[in-house]
Amino acid sequence: NAGVTQTPKFQVLKTGQSMTLQCAQDMNHNSMYWYRQDPGMGLRLIYYSASEGTTDKGEVPNGYNVSRLNKREFSLRLESAAPSQTSVYFCASSEGGGYTEAFFGQGTRLTVV
Amino acid sequence: AQSVTQPDIHITVSEGASLELRCNYSYGATPYLFWYVQSPGQGLQLLLKYFSGDTLVQGIKGFEAEFKRSQSSFNLRKPSVHWSDAAEYFCALHASGGSYIPTFGRGTSLIVHP
Repeated sequence: NAGVTQTPKFQVLKTGQSMTLQCAQDMNHNSMYWYRQDPGMGLRLIYYSASEGTTDKGEVPNGYNVSRLNKREFSLRLESAAPSQTSVYFCASSEGGGYTEAFFGQGTRLTVV
Repeated sequence: AQSVTQPDIHITVSEGASLELRCNYSYGATPYLFWYVQSPGQGLQLLLKYFSGDTLVQGIKGFEAEFKRSQSSFNLRKPSVHWSDAAEYFCALHASGGSYIPTFGRGTSLIVHP
């Protein structure tokens, strides 16, 4: 029962470096999401994928790209990391109906120096 | 556009005392409402949800919440808090049309004194 798996758990980047955060779910969910969590800001949606083959911008998409590789996997890419992207990143998935809850990964703590 | 407001950033209670965490929402139709809990260093876990029917819903760990349409509120309650309840609590809304994307409040940090 893995649920939602995110890798890596921790990462330190230098300004300008790139990296991809990986996310996979084994619950056959249609919808997947990437959020960032900052102190006092709650969870803010970066990108989401309502179904395989589709992706859409959320509230804070600048500086990020995503790929819905297949139904299981949804990756988040930082092309040129900036200190403002220091945050905790959460991947989540859901069946997609309004009454269905989101299931979250353990998070990736990213520091950009 | 929908929004969720959690007015209290921090709440401090003594162990054994009752608890109420506030959540207000803004949405033009009936929303789907959720409460999640986040323990330190962990992802979010569902406590309870409301989408229709009885406006008082029961969740895990002895929590309950009441949906009040007239007040646009969905407050979380627990009659007796345990030290292990110390965590961050998030109220969330799924719009009842469109992509059902979860919108979260900013969270309330619960501190429990022995």
